[in-house]
Amino acid sequence: KNQVEQSPQSLIILEGKNCTLQCNYTVSPFSNLRWYKQDTGRGPVSLTIMTFSENTKSNGRYTATLDADTKQSSLHITASQLSDSASYICVVSGFPTGNQFYFGTGTSLTVIP
Amino acid sequence: NAGVTQTPKFRVLKTGQSMTLLCAQDMNHEYMYWYRQDPGMGLRLIHYSVGEGTTAKGEVPDGYNVSRLKKQNFLLGLESAAPSQTSVYFCASSSPREYEQYFGPGTRLTVT
Repeated sequence: KNQVEQSPQSLIILEGKNCTLQCNYTVSPFSNLRWYKQDTGRGPVSLTIMTFSENTKSNGRYTATLDADTKQSSLHITASQLSDSASYICVVSGFPTGNQFYFGTGTSLTVIP
Repeated sequence: NAGVTQTPKFRVLKTGQSMTLLCAQDMNHEYMYWYRQDPGMGLRLIHYSVGEGTTAKGEVPDGYNVSRLKKQNFLLGLESAAPSQTSVYFCASSSPREYEQYFGPGTRLTVT
């Protein structure tokens, strides 16, 4: 069964600290993996997209990694800010059309001053 | 360029009432989707469309109908609303030539 699991479910960190969110998946065949940020009351917004051949992708203070062999991805947030408080969702797409999207349940991140 | 828009933003229905949620995109995307998001369950696909005039069922289609009469619009209908359909509904669109989905701001629906 194609699944995407994220951990931790929730996380509280101090402003300025780093954190890492995890995503494990069993989707096969694999097309790409995306991390989305969803602010409260808003729709998800894409942070990074990685295909099979990409190991790392950065977007400002956000860095995503992908290990396609172990089917694991992580999202590292550097020097966290209060505005990073949001839910972070991992989404994996399978072949052949690329439109088979499998969503994780998200990690709720709270950054406190 | 507004991206993906949804109408309405909020709605309260009584059990048995019907309504239609409208999604519009101005990116000329072929694919459009309707999701519902419930606490602790992530986004679940209700219906999707790969082109004008075509629709397909997703993971949780029961109680919903959709139509894609125009490429830029995707309508989600509830014929007889039930409390179990209380949720936040998101529309998304994408192109087959890129991997990213673009989401609307969501519609918060409460059925009493």
